[in-house]
Amino acid sequence: QLQLQESGPGLVKPSETLSLTCTVSGGSISSSHYYWGWIRQPPGKGLEWIGNIYYGGSTYYNPSLKSRVTISVDTSKNQFSLKLNSVTAADTAVYYCAKDRGYSGDDYQYYFDYWGQGTLVAVSS
Amino acid sequence: EIVLTQSPATLSLSPGERATLSCRASQSVSSYLAWYQQKPGQAPRLLIYDTSHRATGIPARFSGSGSGTDFTLTISSLEPEDFAVYYCQQRNYWPLTFGGGTKVEIK
Repeated sequence: QLQLQESGPGLVKPSETLSLTCTVSGGSISSSHYYWGWIRQPPGKGLEWIGNIYYGGSTYYNPSLKSRVTISVDTSKNQFSLKLNSVTAADTAVYYCAKDRGYSGDDYQYYFDYWGQGTLVAVSS
Repeated sequence: EIVLTQSPATLSLSPGERATLSCRASQSVSSYLAWYQQKPGQAPRLLIYDTSHRATGIPARFSGSGSGTDFTLTISSLEPEDFAVYYCQQRNYWPLTFGGGTKVEIK
């Protein structure tokens, strides 16, 4: 059974960099045809897609965050990571990592079928 | 960016009743729309993808329909565990976007 687990600091100071890692177990992050993503959810609000990465390194980012976001992958550790710089209180959220449904038929299905439990990151001095 | 508008914001129903949730896209997303269920303190769970395909392990009481800009998630007979928040998500355009959610609460 595939499992994803987010890890990282729960508190980040304004203007600093939020860094999270997602560790994948029960399967290989290098499996072809899957993208791996980050999604966040401010307390009491809806879901916001941050970005996706393929094990080979290709990425898609949400334009609203693109100037501040970097997603990377470490296949040797079966992990992928999120860095969000210059954070403000508006970046306070539960951050989820997830796996998409992958390539099926003739295209990629960018829906998320496996999720981590989420980790709350608060931005505060 | 595709804006997904979900309605109603809250749906108050009793167990056994039928739930009909709506998701409207600001422009056509073809059939590339999914539905998720989220319970308090939990990650979202994929229910339906590409409008009408149930994800693995999802009961048959959940069904999806629609195309273009108007989509519907139907729960044929609400079970106690179905009271939750439901989100739609489109994959036809970058960035991937989610609707604002519909809360299905016990009446």
